[in-house]
Amino acid sequence: GAGVSQTPSNKVTEKGKYVELRCDPISGHTALYWYRQSLGQGPEFLIYFQGTGAADDSGLPNDRFFAVRPEGSVSTLKIQRTERGDSAVYLCASSSGLAETQYFGPGTRLLVL
Amino acid sequence: GQQLNQSPQSMFIQEGEDVSMNCTSSSIFNTWLWYKQDPGEGPVLLIALYKAGELTSNGRLTAQFGITRKDSFLNISASIPSDVGIYFCAGQYNAGNMLTFGGGTRLMVKP
Repeated sequence: GAGVSQTPSNKVTEKGKYVELRCDPISGHTALYWYRQSLGQGPEFLIYFQGTGAADDSGLPNDRFFAVRPEGSVSTLKIQRTERGDSAVYLCASSSGLAETQYFGPGTRLLVL
Repeated sequence: GQQLNQSPQSMFIQEGEDVSMNCTSSSIFNTWLWYKQDPGEGPVLLIALYKAGELTSNGRLTAQFGITRKDSFLNISASIPSDVGIYFCAGQYNAGNMLTFGGGTRLMVKP
């Protein structure tokens, strides 16, 4: 079956612009996670959803970052007034339940010029 | 943000050699996981450990959950070229919670 998909695969934007990154989880997965991976580092947690609600958003670095999951399936990570330091790979993962394996998508590579 | 201390950062070995890498934390975790990431891809789960002291194998891979709950190691036996990639440890405090990752071990295998 289809895995986690993320679009776009690459995004280049200018400092100060707004971007949206999309995650399509595995069908039927109720939990969805966003992580950010800087070059040469391991992924760092941003936020996770159980259903439509954000269960833990403690990893969001500041209020320029926001994520939604209005129907409990697709999620969008939104970044306002992008900064060069936001450049990273943004990974999405989903799981079929809280005690289950997190399956990762291929990521969106964001470059802020 | 917090990351686990993973070592070594990189390894360049001959095909057929065994590999060992480890991960330590200042705080305890109730689940330890090992992932592999290939270029342009997301991490893929290799082994999950759920109990302190547990030793688990998956083919040529063996991992252990440290008795203190603050460390874990991964061994790869008889390495092959397709083992090349970046290996990450990850800790999870409670089921469903976020994963906390190590900095990764980059493995290179010379045929």
